[in-house]
Amino acid sequence: QVQLVQSGAEVKKPGASVKVSCKTSGYTFTTFFIHWVRQAPGQGPEWMGWIDTNNGVTNYAQKFQGRVTMTRDTSIGTAYMELSSLRSDDTAIYYCARTVTNIDFDPWGQGTLVTVSS
Amino acid sequence: QSALTQPRSVSGSPGQSVTISCTGTSSDIGGYNYVSWFQQHPGKVPKLMIYDVSKRPSGVPDRFSGSKSDNTASLTISGLQTEDEADYYCCSYAGHSTPIFFGGGTKLTVL
Repeated sequence: QVQLVQSGAEVKKPGASVKVSCKTSGYTFTTFFIHWVRQAPGQGPEWMGWIDTNNGVTNYAQKFQGRVTMTRDTSIGTAYMELSSLRSDDTAIYYCARTVTNIDFDPWGQGTLVTVSS
Repeated sequence: QSALTQPRSVSGSPGQSVTISCTGTSSDIGGYNYVSWFQQHPGKVPKLMIYDVSKRPSGVPDRFSGSKSDNTASLTISGLQTEDEADYYCCSYAGHSTPIFFGGGTKLTVL
């Protein structure tokens, strides 16, 4: 079955960077986009961007442009999201999710908690 | 920046039907047939319930249905069950430059 497995929780200081991985299995990695969505405590999901896993083209939400970088390694079927210049309000669970058509996010990774604290 | 407006909470009794609305603009919901709905239980990963306005992924009960009229999308849950109690989020595509937005979420309480 299709699975997305993310890297473990991270604790970072303000100003640092974090890189989260999303390892896929059960399908051909380069066939579908991978999106990154975050959810702050008690808040709704917030879309961060997508990566076309076939050619590496990315599209980031305006809010994160200049701070986020999405990459992929097709040899191991893994996508990455790096967020820099972390602030306390970046504390959230970060999810990767696959789409087949447009915004049919399914499945999702299990989530990675990133805590930004001094 | 687009914003999708949902009621903060709705409620219903087991067996009843409820509808959750999601209001956007002609630049997002009204402009594309790309609206999704997600169910999220506390501490769990969001689950896709509806995509492309009204399509149900395999495994989602047909008690869940989606529709759209002008700039407003709706999720209807019929025959409410206690396990339907959760947060529900709508999501819409809004074009290439600022593509995807989620609503603020609606808490469904099954009384």
